Amino acid sequence: EAQVTQNPRYLITVTGKKLTVTCSQNMNHEYMSWYRQDPGLGLRQIYYSMNVEVTDKGDVPEGYKVSRKEKRNFPLILESPSPNQTSLYFCASSEFSYNEQFFGPGTRLTVL
Amino acid sequence: SQQGEEDPQALSIQEGENATMNCSYKTSINNLQWYRQNSGRGLVHLILIRSNEREKHSGRLRVTLDTSKKSSSLLITASRAADTASYFCAPHAGGTSYGKLTFGQGTILTVHP
Repeated sequence: EAQVTQNPRYLITVTGKKLTVTCSQNMNHEYMSWYRQDPGLGLRQIYYSMNVEVTDKGDVPEGYKVSRKEKRNFPLILESPSPNQTSLYFCASSEFSYNEQFFGPGTRLTVL
Repeated sequence: SQQGEEDPQALSIQEGENATMNCSYKTSINNLQWYRQNSGRGLVHLILIRSNEREKHSGRLRVTLDTSKKSSSLLITASRAADTASYFCAPHAGGTSYGKLTFGQGTILTVHP
């Protein structure tokens, strides 16, 4: 089944404790992207990747890192999480940036 | 980056009625995409309309695009309670924003049985 998977689905952590949210797709897509969704602010793009080893900032990249060492994986790293990073995070992939995007189920992160 | 702005923010209708949502954007686009999100879940792609297209249909969905007005509309005909969800537009621009895709705040549609 074609899908985008994210792990973990739920995470409660404390300020400053490094964490990684994994994202994997099995559709051989070139393009992958991370978004955060907050009430009243809609979805905002954090980082995106046009292809392996090619990443670029979205609209809200501060406090996040990404890497794209393999085509299928695009982990989101929070080196020192803060409470303002409490949010619902989505990973998405598409064949190319202009195609329809397939979204993962989301990761609900709470930083205390 | 290019951002779509949906209007209205919320829409409440009865089952069987039509629902129309609008999207406005600021700069030229390659295409415009519409997505649906059920509460707290991942977005699901509904329809993509290219900049050289004016109208597109998919089942009960009809999307129009007016590039001169920089606007698009999504019409859901004969709505059902299962259509209750948030709907987002995402204009895809080219140039230096080629990799960026920015969603608006969405329209919350409630369909009452």
